[in-house]
Amino acid sequence: TQLLEQSPQFLSIQEGENLTVYCNSSSVFSSLQWYRQEPGEGPVLLVTVVTGGEVKKLKRLTFQFGDARKDSSLHITAAQPGDTGLYLCAALYGGATNKLIFGTGTLLAVQP
Amino acid sequence: DAGVIQSPRHEVTEMGQEVTLRCKPISGHNSLFWYRQTMMRGLELLIYFNNNVPIDDSGMPEDRFSAKMPNASFSTLKIQPSEPRDSAVYFCASSSFLAPSHTDTQYFGPGTRLTVL
Repeated sequence: TQLLEQSPQFLSIQEGENLTVYCNSSSVFSSLQWYRQEPGEGPVLLVTVVTGGEVKKLKRLTFQFGDARKDSSLHITAAQPGDTGLYLCAALYGGATNKLIFGTGTLLAVQP
Repeated sequence: DAGVIQSPRHEVTEMGQEVTLRCKPISGHNSLFWYRQTMMRGLELLIYFNNNVPIDDSGMPEDRFSAKMPNASFSTLKIQPSEPRDSAVYFCASSSFLAPSHTDTQYFGPGTRLTVL
């Protein structure tokens, strides 16, 4: 059972456009992470959010954690071809474990 | 640091053969994770170790899969016998686990692309 649903699954946009990717669950997370994966490589951590309502910015990327800690969003402003990749959210459900559950992924293609 | 090292990068084998994937975690990391990624199922956790001890192997698909971590610098994932449905990219990741309440960063290797004919 997939606990983390991401939307959209695929997104193809032109350079300069804005976009938002969503990560949703019916469960409460103790923390949530966003990773980006480029072709032929492993995922690389972008950010970790731990507090409900938290907003973090990484250059043109803005990450938000929902107030109830059940959802998160990633907004990219003025997308560039270098933003192309698979974006994955991952959640730590707490307890005595450091096990992450990964979302279904959003494949982003930014056309020049 | 060299990062997480996986070998081989690509493996093509025939159904029924044994396959062994290898991983060297980042030096000093005490957690190691094995994942499988496919288009249909996404990135799935197979098993993970803390301090060389298997903690959760609930993601291992069946008895054909086994994983070992004989020491802090080496782990293997073995499939025997292999089947075409095992074709996927297998990732190893490592992290420095401090406490259950701490969210650690997982560092992924480049993956092994396995094709079972």
